This record gives sequence, structure tokens and C-alpha cells, in this order.
Amino acid sequence: NAGVTQTPKFQVLKTGQSMTLQCAQDMNHEYMSWYRQDPGMGLRLIHYSVGAGITDQGEVPNGYNVSRSTTEDFPLRLLSAAPSQTSVYFCASSETGRAYEQYFGPGTRLTVT
Amino acid sequence: DQQVKQNSPSLSVQEGRISILNCDYTNSMFDYFLWYKKYPAEGPTFLISISSIKDKNEDGRFTVFLNKSAKHLSLHIVPSQPGDSAVYFCAARDFGNEKLTFGTGTRLTIIP
Repeated sequence: NAGVTQTPKFQVLKTGQSMTLQCAQDMNHEYMSWYRQDPGMGLRLIHYSVGAGITDQGEVPNGYNVSRSTTEDFPLRLLSAAPSQTSVYFCASSETGRAYEQYFGPGTRLTVT
Repeated sequence: DQQVKQNSPSLSVQEGRISILNCDYTNSMFDYFLWYKKYPAEGPTFLISISSIKDKNEDGRFTVFLNKSAKHLSLHIVPSQPGDSAVYFCAARDFGNEKLTFGTGTRLTIIP
């Protein structure tokens, strides 16, 4: 099992550009989520999904879109990048009912200039 | 409004001694508490959890204690080893949904 994979590992964007952060898992987990980690802020939930076709907002959803067309994939779209979105982004997955034991990907470090 | 707080950004402990990491919470609806460990350039990994109906859970060198009346939990690592040097995040799950709320993390350094 590859577990949770994220691409790219690093990305630099200019303000106003859009991009998609990819996340995939091969553990057949229903629950998937996106977090951002900022210094002194811990991990904050952006969006999450409890299964294919179902998504919901987390704590900091503004400026991000998600979709869940398959169980395996959960991409995160930045619509118009802003410097405030400079962060490290983590995708995570878990079994339904065990969302407290989340498996995290290695992260994507995004810089917006 | 920080519902899960880790008030110590960093902690240094001598190898072989006990490491104690602390976490406070404010939301009475939290029913599960967890600790995650994070190495640089990697994603967090689940370490240990405790249900709100228990006051202690042990797994090898790691023990988590929960004091519901004080809304406080702690992670004890005994004995501390150099490989324990990492950032530790406390997290809590809100009863009735799957969302986790994380603390800001404590960087633990084990001194050989």
C-alpha cells in the first residue's frame, strides 16, 4: 500500500493563479480531509468528505474548492491564489467511524508570491 | 477561539527521563482525544488516543492521561529516546461528527 500520496511536494504560484493539489489513497477509506499547517496555528481543517459525492466545509474553507468523484481521490483547488494561502497542505484519510485515527500524506509546501 | 491549546511551544528532556506534554481543551462535546507525532518534511502520524469515558490509556512507552473535570490531557513518554524528538500535536474529536480540532503543537527535543 502506498497509503496517502500528495502531489506536488513543492509549488510556487503567483498571486491570482489557480492550481489543484492532488491527493490519493489506496486504503479504501471513506473519510478524507484537507488541512493547512501554519506556524503557531497547528493544523486547520479546510474541507472534508465522508464519501464519494459528499463534501463539506471545515474551519477555513474560503478560497478553496473540493470534489470527491471517487473513493480514492480528493483534489483541492485554489481558485485565485493569495499570499495568505502560503502554507503546508496535508491530505488525510481514515475509515468511517475511525476518523480520529487519520493517515496523513507527506504534505505539499505552497508559496504564493 | 482556540478550543485545543498546547501552551508549551517547546520542551527539552534528557534521554532516559520522562517527557510530559500537556494539552487543555474548552469544548465539553469532545469525546475522543488523540496525540499525533510529526517529523520534519513528513505528515503527522497517529500515536495514541483516549476515549472520554476513560482516564488513562497506555501503549508501550506512551501513556495518555485524561482529566475531564480539568479539561486537561497529557502524554507521558517513558523512557524518552532520541527518536522521540518531533513535534507533538494534541487533537480532539467533536461528538457526533468526524472532525478533529488540533492544538498548535509542542516541539520535543530529547538531549542525548
